[in-house]
Amino acid sequence: GAGVSQSPSNKVTEKGKDVELRCDPISGHTALYWYRQRLGQGLEFLIYFQGNSAPDKSGLPSDRFSAERTGESVSTLTIQRTQQEDSAVYLCASSLWGIQETQYFGPGTRLLVL
Amino acid sequence: KQEVTQIPAALSVPEGENLVLNCSFTDSAIYNLQWFRQDPGKGLTSLLLIQSSQREQTSGRLNASLDKSSGRSTLYIAASQPGDSATYLCAVGNTGGFKTIFGAGTRLFVKA
Repeated sequence: GAGVSQSPSNKVTEKGKDVELRCDPISGHTALYWYRQRLGQGLEFLIYFQGNSAPDKSGLPSDRFSAERTGESVSTLTIQRTQQEDSAVYLCASSLWGIQETQYFGPGTRLLVL
Repeated sequence: KQEVTQIPAALSVPEGENLVLNCSFTDSAIYNLQWFRQDPGKGLTSLLLIQSSQREQTSGRLNASLDKSSGRSTLYIAASQPGDSATYLCAVGNTGGFKTIFGAGTRLFVKA
């Protein structure tokens, strides 16, 4: 079946604008993760959704970042009032049941804030 | 807070060599440890997942071990090939918040 997909693949925006990034997990996967990878750095955990449980938002860097997930399907990561330091690749992953399972990653969205 | 360290940061080896990549973590309260490879400009591909109750996992030329008590994991690559050139990342699944913590990766280059 299809893997994890993300859109857009690239996004250029001006400082101060809001952006929405989309993730479509593998069908049937109840767990979904968002990560950020700045240039030349490792992955930073942002947020974790598992089924109908309250999301783990412990990795969100500021209140400008938020994410939603509709049931066990699409998720949207929103960054409000973007700053240049938000420039990074945003990666989404999904797993079948949760943290105990293998994570499958999408290709990422490359965000550039001018 | 969990910290994950990978050594070395970069490694260059001739084709055919066996090699070991190291990963260490500070908090042994983990669900599992996962090894990934990342090719330039692409997402991550899962290589091996070791649950906290397991000691090792094998897939083809890859073997990953886990010593939870000492906070260490190794990824062994046998008979390396140029196609193995990539960045290798280890990630621990935490029982608490910050569900997954990644190391900074080891950049591997296998010379033909």
